[in-house]
Amino acid sequence: EIVLTQSPGTLSLSPGERATLSCRASQSFTNGFLAWYQQKPGQAPRILIYDASSRAPGIPDRFSGSGSGTDFTLTISRLEPEDFAVYYCQQYGSSSYTFGQGTKLEIK
Amino acid sequence: VQLVESGGGLVKPGGSLRLSCAASGFSGFSFSDYFMIWIRQAPGEGLEWVSHMTDSGSGLYYADSVKGRFTISRDNAKNSLYLQMNSLRAEDTAIYYCARVGRFPYNYAMDVWGRGATVTVSS
Repeated sequence: EIVLTQSPGTLSLSPGERATLSCRASQSFTNGFLAWYQQKPGQAPRILIYDASSRAPGIPDRFSGSGSGTDFTLTISRLEPEDFAVYYCQQYGSSSYTFGQGTKLEIK
Repeated sequence: VQLVESGGGLVKPGGSLRLSCAASGFSGFSFSDYFMIWIRQAPGEGLEWVSHMTDSGSGLYYADSVKGRFTISRDNAKNSLYLQMNSLRAEDTAIYYCARVGRFPYNYAMDVWGRGATVTVSS
């Protein structure tokens, strides 16, 4: 089973700043099936990025995903107040799903 | 597109519960064209895959933590997904989300989520 480790656990930034969130896999997976989700308190997660770098419909272009192999990154170019939330990465392989433990993005 | 979970509640350890997820508003492709999945989130914790099944229902997959205790099923005629949970434990306490596994190009990402059903296992 592939383990996903997200870092940092908590990221404190101000609106307008750039956020870089990391997701590292315990082993390389070549299928590229990595997604990112945003979850706000009391809400279900919503998809931001699929296939490591494709933005889901309706997601602002300040959100971007990159990476391959074992290292993946979610970047938010200029933080808006509504972007402060918890972010999860997720991968699929060998008929199972795994999620990272999440990165909490909080207002500094 | 909407997914609505129901059937959550308070149950004693060792008890059973059946969650349902009603799907509506699928356009283009129908409910029967999608893999479906259950994901849970324990209080204050992250997301955990529980189970998923293929569009036809021929493929059923479970996390080790629920294998042998939970059963996923679907009724494509009723646009519904189910999760039968038996031998419940305190550690099964969580919000259970039903989600749709997106078709190409989403490649196993969950593109639609329900609001969740709360399951509490406590004596």
